[in-house]
Amino acid sequence: KQEVTQIPAALSVPEGENLVLNCSFTDSAIYNLQWFRQDPGKGLTSLLLIQSSQREQTSGRLNASLDKSSGRSTLYIAASQPGDSATYLCALSSNTGKLIFGQGTTLQVKP
Amino acid sequence: DTAVSQTPKYLVTQMGNDKSIKCEQNLGHDTMYWYKQDSKKFLKIMFSYNNKELIINETVPNRFSPKSPDKAHLNLHINSLELGDSAVYFCASSLHPAPNGNTIYFGEGSWLTVV
Repeated sequence: KQEVTQIPAALSVPEGENLVLNCSFTDSAIYNLQWFRQDPGKGLTSLLLIQSSQREQTSGRLNASLDKSSGRSTLYIAASQPGDSATYLCALSSNTGKLIFGQGTTLQVKP
Repeated sequence: DTAVSQTPKYLVTQMGNDKSIKCEQNLGHDTMYWYKQDSKKFLKIMFSYNNKELIINETVPNRFSPKSPDKAHLNLHINSLELGDSAVYFCASSLHPAPNGNTIYFGEGSWLTVV
């Protein structure tokens, strides 16, 4: 059974810092991995989608990597800003068609 | 333009009542989903429909009945509401059924509180 873990559960950094959010999974037989952002009282916004054959994806200040052999993905945020404060969720898609989510990392970027 | 919209956003109701949450997507997607986010923030899939047909039915009490009148709509009806049904329910859609390379788009959630 696939399990997805995100560490840390919460993170607070000063503005301008580069930071890394971690996502680990137990079964490497994944189809793709997505990183989402969730703002309080809002839905989820997809940030990056990495196919199982890819190793990374980049969008602006965000870079997501995928290492299936070690069961890990990271989301790198460069030059963090207060507007980046949110909960970040990783989710795996397996061949069952289900998206399995981690519990999320709540990020606070202090001005 | 809201891509995935769900109503109501907030719903407070008594135990035993029956309630519905409606969802519509204007993205032209074939596939729609219902997810539940519990108090610990875990998101779990409940149902998935592709072109009005049920393709994923996770272990969900049969008090929950999804209905898809067309591929742009997926409603969730809940009978005999229980305290444990209190959660945030998210509707979502994607171009094709997972697994695929398509991004999933989520609605803003419906906060259900059963008292």
